Amino acid sequence: GAGVSQSPSNKVTEKGKDVELRCDPISGHTALYWYRQRLGQGLEFLIYFQGNSAPDKSGLPSDRFSAERTGESVSTLTIQRTQQEDSAVYLCASSVREGQPQHFGDGTRLSIL
Amino acid sequence: GENVEQHPSTLSVQEGDSAVIKCTYSDSASNYFPWYKQELGKGPQLIIDIRSNVGEKKDQRIAVTLNKTAKHFSLHITETQPEDSAVYFCAASDGGGTSYGKLTFGQGTILTVHP
Repeated sequence: GAGVSQSPSNKVTEKGKDVELRCDPISGHTALYWYRQRLGQGLEFLIYFQGNSAPDKSGLPSDRFSAERTGESVSTLTIQRTQQEDSAVYLCASSVREGQPQHFGDGTRLSIL
Repeated sequence: GENVEQHPSTLSVQEGDSAVIKCTYSDSASNYFPWYKQELGKGPQLIIDIRSNVGEKKDQRIAVTLNKTAKHFSLHITETQPEDSAVYFCAASDGGGTSYGKLTFGQGTILTVHP
């Protein structure tokens, strides 16, 4: 079956521009997580969705970062006024429900010039 | 919050040898411990996980052990093959409690298996 799908796979943009990253979770998965992976580092939690509500946004690094989810489907992560330190791979994971195994997409590699 | 430490950062073995990667965690509320394998340009792939009501779990050449008292868990790969070469991450979560099951990751181990 289809896994977690993320788009675009790569994004290069200029400092100060806004970017939107998309995640299509596995069908039927109610829990959706966003993580960030800086070069050579482990993954850092950003935000958690249960359905279309986000009970945990504690990992968002600044108010330039926001995310939304449509029902139990697509989620978008938006970064406004991008900075060079935003360069990273942004990964999305979904699970049947919270506490169950998380399955990751291949991420969006974001490069800020 | 939870803190996960992973060692070693790099591990080089000969094909056929065993590889062991160790992690420690800080939050006693953590009760779910997955291991992920990440290949270049790909997302992490879940290879094995363990919950705190068991001490050991095996799946073919891969095993994970958990010592909840000491707050550490380990990944064991036997009869390593070149295709096992990748970055391995351990993680911990409260399994859906107050932290909503979010994962806290170790810094990763680059495993290289030489033919």
